[in-house]
Amino acid sequence: DQQVKQNSPSLSVQEGRISILNCDYTNSMFDYFLWYKKYPAEGPTFLISISSIKDKNEDGRFTVFLNKSAKHLSLHIVPSQPGDSAVYFCAASATGNQFYFGTGTSLTVIP
Amino acid sequence: DAMVIQNPRYQVTQFGKPVTLSCSQTLNHNVMYWYQQKSSQAPKLLFHYYDKDFNNEADTPDNFQSRRPNTSFCFLDIRSPGLGDAAMYLCATSRLQGAKNIQYFGAGTRLSVL
Repeated sequence: DQQVKQNSPSLSVQEGRISILNCDYTNSMFDYFLWYKKYPAEGPTFLISISSIKDKNEDGRFTVFLNKSAKHLSLHIVPSQPGDSAVYFCAASATGNQFYFGTGTSLTVIP
Repeated sequence: DAMVIQNPRYQVTQFGKPVTLSCSQTLNHNVMYWYQQKSSQAPKLLFHYYDKDFNNEADTPDNFQSRRPNTSFCFLDIRSPGLGDAAMYLCATSRLQGAKNIQYFGAGTRLSVL
């Protein structure tokens, strides 16, 4: 059973606009969440994370929002750039040692 | 410089013929993971090592085994590959630091089974 879900397989956004990628989870024990970015022919690379004690974490153009009551998190990219085109994976952990991943959202930023 | 290196990048094997995938790391991390990712699916954890302690996921088939001879290397052995084992296999490492546990991934090995 998929505990982490990314219901949008793909997203297209104009350069300079905001990209919003969404992720839902079912396990209320998850206490740490991450976003990974993956380019073709490369492994996923860590982008940003958030602990369950926070509801927002910001790093430059990237902000992750966590809504624990809704079991939902989102990644905002502002402004979006063509180099942001990649597959984005959401991941969650309950123990700090095992992570559950979503199926990914492929973002295309149109110049 | 690549910190988690997987070899080979592409592996073709025959149905039932044992195959070994390798992973090495220069990060000196305590934890090493093997994930299986099939097309359009989420990476699925097969097992992980915390130092020399092996942790198998409950639903990982017995066909999949792993070895970690030292901190730097970890191997995935598929004893009798079936067509359903064709997938991308990702190795990852992490240094367990409380709640902040970022995983560093290799580029993966794509396994084809003929």
